[in-house]
Amino acid sequence: GDSVTQMEGPVTLSEEAFLTINCTYTATGYPSLFWYVQYPGEGLQLLLKATKADDKGSNKGFEATYRKETTSFHLEKGSVQVSDSAVYFCALMDSSYKLIFGSGTRLLVRP
Amino acid sequence: DADVTQTPRNRITKTGKRIMLECSQTKGHDRMYWYRQDPGLGLRLIYYSFDVKDINKGEISDGYSVSRQAQAKFSLSLESAIPNQTALYFCAISGTTSGGTSSYNEQFFGPGTRLTVL
Repeated sequence: GDSVTQMEGPVTLSEEAFLTINCTYTATGYPSLFWYVQYPGEGLQLLLKATKADDKGSNKGFEATYRKETTSFHLEKGSVQVSDSAVYFCALMDSSYKLIFGSGTRLLVRP
Repeated sequence: DADVTQTPRNRITKTGKRIMLECSQTKGHDRMYWYRQDPGLGLRLIYYSFDVKDINKGEISDGYSVSRQAQAKFSLSLESAIPNQTALYFCAISGTTSGGTSSYNEQFFGPGTRLTVL
């Protein structure tokens, strides 16, 4: 079945450092891909998405590119802030419009 | 975002008790979902409903039941709670609103219910 694998955390960075969180997927066809963010004590918020190969999703300085050839959707940000500290989930939407999530990666940004 | 409301936000209960978690939405979407979140496992789908008369099991439905009382309400029940059902539970919505806006390709999540079963 479809699945999502993302790098384990926690990822600890200093403020203004470059961030990469790896995400790869296994799926039949070409699913839509998503990054959700969960701030402490809150629900999930959609951070960005891409619906077809080579699409780049972007929001709040974060970017991710849908790479069909490597079945990847890595999340990047050029300069992280303390306020970016959260748990990040990569997900795909299967052919039945159900979301399949990775295990989440906790990001901690130190001042 | 208060478009999806979950009650209660926190609940502590004992093994064997019946528990109901409620979800309501104001966006008028036709599709509703229940997920549970466990540390290191991400979110897993429990049940989903594409319409008031349509209920479907997800990945981990054993030990749970649901009721879609209305377009805007979707309840999750634990008939006899057990400690390994201790988790964070999320409701989500998507699909077509009553106003005709479609967002099948995106889900909106509620704030979650933290359930502890002792």
